[in-house]
Amino acid sequence: SAVISQKPSRDICQRGTSLTIQCQVDSQVTMMFWYRQQPGQSLTLIATANQGSEATYESGFVIDKFPISRPNLTFSTLTVSNMSPEDSSIYLCSVGSGAVPAQYFGPGTRLLVL
Amino acid sequence: GENVEQHPSTLSVQEGDSAVIKCTYSDSASNYFPWYKQELGKGPQLIIDIRSNVGEKKDQRIAVTLNKTAKHFSLHITETQPEDSAVYFCAAIGSGGGADGLTFGKGTHLIIQP
Repeated sequence: SAVISQKPSRDICQRGTSLTIQCQVDSQVTMMFWYRQQPGQSLTLIATANQGSEATYESGFVIDKFPISRPNLTFSTLTVSNMSPEDSSIYLCSVGSGAVPAQYFGPGTRLLVL
Repeated sequence: GENVEQHPSTLSVQEGDSAVIKCTYSDSASNYFPWYKQELGKGPQLIIDIRSNVGEKKDQRIAVTLNKTAKHFSLHITETQPEDSAVYFCAAIGSGGGADGLTFGKGTHLIIQP
């Protein structure tokens, strides 16, 4: 199994600012993903964080708004840039394998933008 | 792309009774169907999954059934307990494969009445 931690666990931010969320895994993993879960809603994949190359973004998400880093096989960051109230969500890091892509989720980062 | 419908959105059952949550999917090529449990303030937890080459899978009080012809799959929880109260999400991987092909249902809020 994999244990995932995220920092911060929650934050309240002013519009126009940026927040960087960290995801740390206790073992090396091939596949790492970032999801968004808006209040009371389901999960939407933002991007796949690729080690050593640029992240792969899903439709509706762009690198300028959600830059992602993945410097090694245990760590990734997601930045939410130039935030607006519509960015208020839970942001989740997930890891898995080819057989089970979203096998483990982190506890999430609860973001409120005022 | 894949479309996953989940019903009901809220389910209330008496402790000790059974609960059934149903999902339908649109992509006949889908071959992997996980179920997640999300407790308040936590990230989703994979609780059971099934692949398209089997019709049923059990793990203690939890079972999942798959009907490929009808393109639906269900989560069955028997002898429900208070700790089963949570939001449950189904998901399906479409023909694209990988996490970018993983589509989630909108979730079912399961309430276990004492």
